[in-house]
Amino acid sequence: GDQVEQSPSALSLHEGTGSALRCNFTTTMRAVQWFQQNSRGSLINLFYLASGTKENGRLKSTFNSKESYSTLHIRDAQLEDSGTYFCAAEGGNTGKLIFGLGTTLQVQP
Amino acid sequence: AQTIHQWPVAEIKAVGSPLSLGCTIKGKSSPNLYWYWQATGGTLQQLFYSITVGQVESVVQLNLSASRPKDDQFILSTEKLLLSHSGFYLCAWDSAETLYFGSGTRLTVL
Repeated sequence: GDQVEQSPSALSLHEGTGSALRCNFTTTMRAVQWFQQNSRGSLINLFYLASGTKENGRLKSTFNSKESYSTLHIRDAQLEDSGTYFCAAEGGNTGKLIFGLGTTLQVQP
Repeated sequence: AQTIHQWPVAEIKAVGSPLSLGCTIKGKSSPNLYWYWQATGGTLQQLFYSITVGQVESVVQLNLSASRPKDDQFILSTEKLLLSHSGFYLCAWDSAETLYFGSGTRLTVL
C-alpha cells in the first residue's frame, strides 16, 4: 500500500541554525501537505504542494512527485519552531491522506 | 473566517462506558469533515469522513461510529469504550485540498 517514510525521527537544533526534514513516498503521490504540531497538540497547516517549491518566512518546502519525495527546510530556527512536524500525502489510488510518523524537533537556546 | 470547535477538550472515561465527541465548523457551507485519531506519540490516522449531511464514510474500523446530523456538525461516538480508544481525536475540514484541524479532544480510557 501507499507509504510515507519521514526522516529524521528526531532533530535537535540550536537557535539560528537550520536543517531539512524529508518525506519519501513508496508510490506516486498527487500532493503533499506539511503540518506542525505544538506541545498542546494543535496542528497547523504549513504548506500544500501539488508540485514545485513554496516558501513562507523561514520555511521552504519542495515536492518532487517524479522522484517521490518532499522536503521541508527550516532556517534560522527559533524556540517556537519546536514541535512535531508531519508530512501527509494524497495516495494516487485512494486519494486518502496518509501521514508520516513525524519528526520531533527541539530548538535549544 | 472559518472556525472549528471541538468538545470536550479532554475526557477521562471508564472501559465499557459510552462516548460522544463533537465538532462544529462555522463560516463554511457544506464542508468536507474528517475525524482523525492519534495515539500518544504516534501519527495521525483518518477514521471517518463526510461530504454532506447524513453521509459518513468509514476509513478504519476501531469500534467507533460517526454521524453528521447537521451541515456544520460532526459527531464521533461509541457505546462501549475500549482501552485502545485512548488518544487524541481531531476533527478537520478542508478547503482547496488543504486540511485544517480543530484543537482536539484528549481521551483517556481507564
